[in-house]
Amino acid sequence: DAMVIQNPRYQVTQFGKPVTLSCSQTLNHNVMYWYQQKSSQAPKLLFHYYDKDFNNEADTPDNFQSRRPNTSFCFLDIRSPGLGDAAMYLCATSRIRQGLYEQYFGPGTRLTVT
Amino acid sequence: GQQLNQSPQSMFIQEGEDVSMNCTSSSIFNTWLWYKQEPGEGPVLLIALYKAGELTSNGRLTAQFGITRKDSFLNISASIPSDVGIYFCAGPGSSNTGKLIFGQGTTLQVKP
Repeated sequence: DAMVIQNPRYQVTQFGKPVTLSCSQTLNHNVMYWYQQKSSQAPKLLFHYYDKDFNNEADTPDNFQSRRPNTSFCFLDIRSPGLGDAAMYLCATSRIRQGLYEQYFGPGTRLTVT
Repeated sequence: GQQLNQSPQSMFIQEGEDVSMNCTSSSIFNTWLWYKQEPGEGPVLLIALYKAGELTSNGRLTAQFGITRKDSFLNISASIPSDVGIYFCAGPGSSNTGKLIFGQGTTLQVKP
């Protein structure tokens, strides 16, 4: 089945220790998104790739970076995690066609910072 | 900026009851999406609406795209315990990059 996969599902890191979360997709979608979600709130968009073009949200801290080496994979790097970065991180994909905006989410990675 | 307001914020109902929730906006949306998120999982797309007045069903779920283009409704008939979760409405932001605006979510709990 075509899908969005996130690894790992649970990640524990130490305060200040860099961490990388990964996302892969078999949907062949051209747009990939990274969201941060805290305690039952709506997902908050961090950035997205439209094909190879990187689009950062204005309020995304510099501590968060992303890489998209090819269509299928996208990574979220947190350079120096703080306690406030503990959250669920969601990857999503979409294939933007005229008027169609459906996004498909992965299962998420729960990040704990100790 | 664009905002989506969902109501109610939470619902606690008895199994078998019907559920209704809605999403409103101060600006026009051309698309309405409804997602369900279960604890510890990512949101799952339930229904997508693209036309004003459109009424679409997915099993026991029915969603409607309001005629004014400023609201949408989601109904769940004969609720069951596995309907538990947070339901989010979403619509495209003003740019054309595929970004979504999300409502705050409606938390549904079902008592067996």
